[in-house]
Amino acid sequence: DIVMTQSPLTLPVTLGQPASISCRSSQSLVHSNGNTYLSWFQQRPGQSPRRLIYKVSNRDSGVPDRFSGSGSGTDFTLKISRVEAEDVGVYYCMQGTHWRAYTFGQGTKLEIK
Amino acid sequence: EVNLVESGGGLVKPGGSLRLSCADSGFTFSDIWITWVRQAPGKGLEWVGRIKSKYYGETADYAAPVQGRFTISRDDSKNTAYLQMNSLMIEDTAVYYCTDPFRDGSAYARWGQGTLVTVSS
Repeated sequence: DIVMTQSPLTLPVTLGQPASISCRSSQSLVHSNGNTYLSWFQQRPGQSPRRLIYKVSNRDSGVPDRFSGSGSGTDFTLKISRVEAEDVGVYYCMQGTHWRAYTFGQGTKLEIK
Repeated sequence: EVNLVESGGGLVKPGGSLRLSCADSGFTFSDIWITWVRQAPGKGLEWVGRIKSKYYGETADYAAPVQGRFTISRDDSKNTAYLQMNSLMIEDTAVYYCTDPFRDGSAYARWGQGTLVTVSS
């Protein structure tokens, strides 16, 4: 199975400062059809997860533009340009390229310093 | 807007069975691939399994911990997918969610509240 490794696992950030989360896969996530099925999810405390980004860099409707996704192959990044209080929560990456077994990263807990 | 809503959770004894449902209020259910995800108390997200759409053969794949015990099916006429869970173990205790995590567009970006399955004697 593909292993997804996120870092850091805990991310203390000052309000208004940028934040960056890394997600690395044990194999390339480029599908034979040319797409890369890498999504990012946010789970605020006490809430269900919601998707923020799909296919590496496509932001979902309603997601603030301070969130952005980038990367290729095996290395991916979720960036928040200026952290706000409502961004506190756990962030997960997930791959779906290797469709016999989707996998999540361990999660990164974003907290305010 | 949440299009997929889970139901059917509850308390069950080890070795017991339970069937979860995932109902879609949208108009494109037959096209989507349903993924089940679970989250044990205080833990991260874990992929459980996925069923493709009929166009792709309704093929289902499962995570190793549930292979042979869980079965995913779908009834497109009812806009509903199912997760049949047999031989339940204490470690299956979790909130179960259904979603389509890689679909283009945001119709299924928001997840439902999930349904809690508690396996305990």
